[in-house]
Amino acid sequence: GAGVSQSPSNKVTEKGKDVELRCDPISGHTALYWYRQSLGQGLEFLIYFQGNSAPDKSGLPSDRFSAERTGGSVSTLTIQRTQQEDSAVYLCASSFWTGNTGELFFGEGSRLTVL
Amino acid sequence: AQSVTQLGSHVSVSEGALVLLRCNYSSSVPPYLFWYVQYPNQGLQLLLKYTSAATLVKGINGFEAEFKKSETSFHLTKPSAHMSDAAEYFCAVSGNTGGFKTIFGAGTRLFVKA
Repeated sequence: GAGVSQSPSNKVTEKGKDVELRCDPISGHTALYWYRQSLGQGLEFLIYFQGNSAPDKSGLPSDRFSAERTGGSVSTLTIQRTQQEDSAVYLCASSFWTGNTGELFFGEGSRLTVL
Repeated sequence: AQSVTQLGSHVSVSEGALVLLRCNYSSSVPPYLFWYVQYPNQGLQLLLKYTSAATLVKGINGFEAEFKKSETSFHLTKPSAHMSDAAEYFCAVSGNTGGFKTIFGAGTRLFVKA
């Protein structure tokens, strides 16, 4: 597609349930990033992929969070046993692999609300 | 580790007034610096970036930023604010330490008064 696509755009779930958030990057972009945006907290780095590998997953908050990327394209962020503090907007971004200088192209995010 | 500090979570200016959004960074290597903007209900988009070429960087919509190594700053300015500039602005840094990831500041929300 023309831009980064994320789904669902909104997700309301009950505490303890698992959720999956999907990101479809711009075609040809080899790098893919997940960030979490909480009110007043800016963007918190979670994980990034180069191809299907995740060289840096240091930002994942706990072992309840995991992510994968298949075919060098679509990525899924999974949150198991959701907690209320997981409520946030989860942003996905992609870029051409140009090391540190590349522009990140963001999707509109998936807003997660845990009741 | 690299980090970014944005001074002021909220900035309010009158239409036509100077916009100044402050950003200071911490990096042990020459950094790459970015400003992104997030309009209401939209994703983030790049305003401008510094990648060790000219220290004064011009971006879209009349914004510019100056890299000052001695002050470890990368403040964003616009001579005359427009109502359409109301948005949240994020300063970001990336570099060779900490891996190939971009670290964002907490953001500054700009309000423009008529």
